[in-house]
Amino acid sequence: QITLKESGPTLVKPTQTLTLTCTFSGFSLSTSGVGVGWIRQPPGKALEWLALIYWNDDKRYSPSLKSRLTITKDTSKNQVVLTMTNMDPVDTATYYCAHIPIFGVSPYYWGQGTLVTVSS
Amino acid sequence: EIVMTQSPATLSVSPGERATLSCRASQSVSSNLAWYQQKPGQAPRLLIYGASTRATGIPARFSGSGSGTEFTLTISSLQSEDFAVYYCQQYNNWPTFGQGTKLEIK
Repeated sequence: QITLKESGPTLVKPTQTLTLTCTFSGFSLSTSGVGVGWIRQPPGKALEWLALIYWNDDKRYSPSLKSRLTITKDTSKNQVVLTMTNMDPVDTATYYCAHIPIFGVSPYYWGQGTLVTVSS
Repeated sequence: EIVMTQSPATLSVSPGERATLSCRASQSVSSNLAWYQQKPGQAPRLLIYGASTRATGIPARFSGSGSGTEFTLTISSLQSEDFAVYYCQQYNNWPTFGQGTKLEIK
């Protein structure tokens, strides 16, 4: 059974860097074709993809946020880390990680999400 | 970046009736289109991928159709648990979601 769980701060100050960790089980990021992605959702608004990382360390980023994002993986720990620099109140959102299956970026398995508030 | 446009923004339907939700892509995404259902306080739930393939455990009353730029999600006979927000998402290029359709009880 595949599970994912996000962890990190619930409150960050403007201009700070956010670091979120996705800890997963039930699959390995060394399996060909598999990936993990990050998605966010501001309160009452739509979903937005942020970043993807694949088994072969291929990394993809949202074109509009690319300069602020870094995604890394630790296969031995079954973790994926997302960092987002220069946080702003508009970045207040629930952040989800999700399992990316072999056949495309349409995840069946999602974490429960973690709400991050950006405020001074 | 491909823009996904969903219509209507809100759809009011009575239980037992059929609901039809639309999604349009700003350029062709082939069949690389997924539909999700989201209820308050929950993560999205994958319903359909590949434009028309139901995900594991999804009831047969949910069906998807379309290719290229025009897609439809149909719920044949609405149950009480189906009232939620629905998102389409393309994954032909950098993945992008639509703005959602809220399906509410009439």
